[in-house]
Amino acid sequence: DVKVTQSSRYLVKRTGEKVFLECVQDMDHENMFWYRQDPGLGLRLIYFSYDVKMKEKGDIPEGYSVSREKKERFSLILESASTNQTSMYLCATPGAGGSYGYTFGSGTRLTVV
Amino acid sequence: SQQGEEDPQALSIQEGENATMNCSYKTSINNLQWYRQNSGRGLVHLILIRSNEREKHSGRLRVTLDTSKKSSSLLITASRAADTASYFCAPESGSQGNLIFGKGTKLSVKP
Repeated sequence: DVKVTQSSRYLVKRTGEKVFLECVQDMDHENMFWYRQDPGLGLRLIYFSYDVKMKEKGDIPEGYSVSREKKERFSLILESASTNQTSMYLCATPGAGGSYGYTFGSGTRLTVV
Repeated sequence: SQQGEEDPQALSIQEGENATMNCSYKTSINNLQWYRQNSGRGLVHLILIRSNEREKHSGRLRVTLDTSKKSSSLLITASRAADTASYFCAPESGSQGNLIFGKGTKLSVKP
C-alpha cells in the first residue's frame, strides 16, 4: 500500500512566519496534491505537481507556494503566514491506477496566531 | 475539474439501519470516487466506480452511478457506530485526473 507521511500533525506559528509543510510518499508516484480543509467549505485544492520541478495552481493558490525537488517529496510553503491560513492541510497522491483512488496523509492542523 | 455535491449535508441514524448518501456533478466523468474521513484525520478511499459501470459493491458498501442523471449514491448497509464519519464524493474528469471534493455528508450512527 502507498504510504503518505505528513511531517507534523499539529503546528502553531506566528503571523508573518515562513512555514513549511512537508509531505513524503513512498511509491515513486508522479502526481501529488495539497488541499486545505475548512468547516463548511470542504476540501479545496491549493497546488499540485505532476513531476519533479513541475507545479500547477489549484483553486486557491494565493499566499502559498510549493517545491518538488525530489519525486517523493512535495512541500507546501506559506511565505508569510496569516491567521486566515489556520486550517487543516492534507497531502495526497493517486494510487497505482485501477481502483485505488488517492492516498491521503493524516493531515497537519496549522494554527496561525 | 468539477466538484461533487453531496446530499444530505448531515444524516443521523440508528445502528443497524441503512444509510444512503447522494452525489451530483455537472459534466462527463472518467470515474467517481467515494472517501471517508474520521474526525480530524485524512481521507480514506472507499470505492471507485468507472463511468461505464452502474453499480459496485465492497463489503457493506454499495455504490451506484447514473451518468444520464449525473448522480451517484453510496449505500452503507447495517450501519455501525464505527461508520460515524464524513463521506465525500469526488468525480474525476479530464486528462489531469484531479479530484475536486464537495463539502461531504456527515453521518452519525447512534448505538
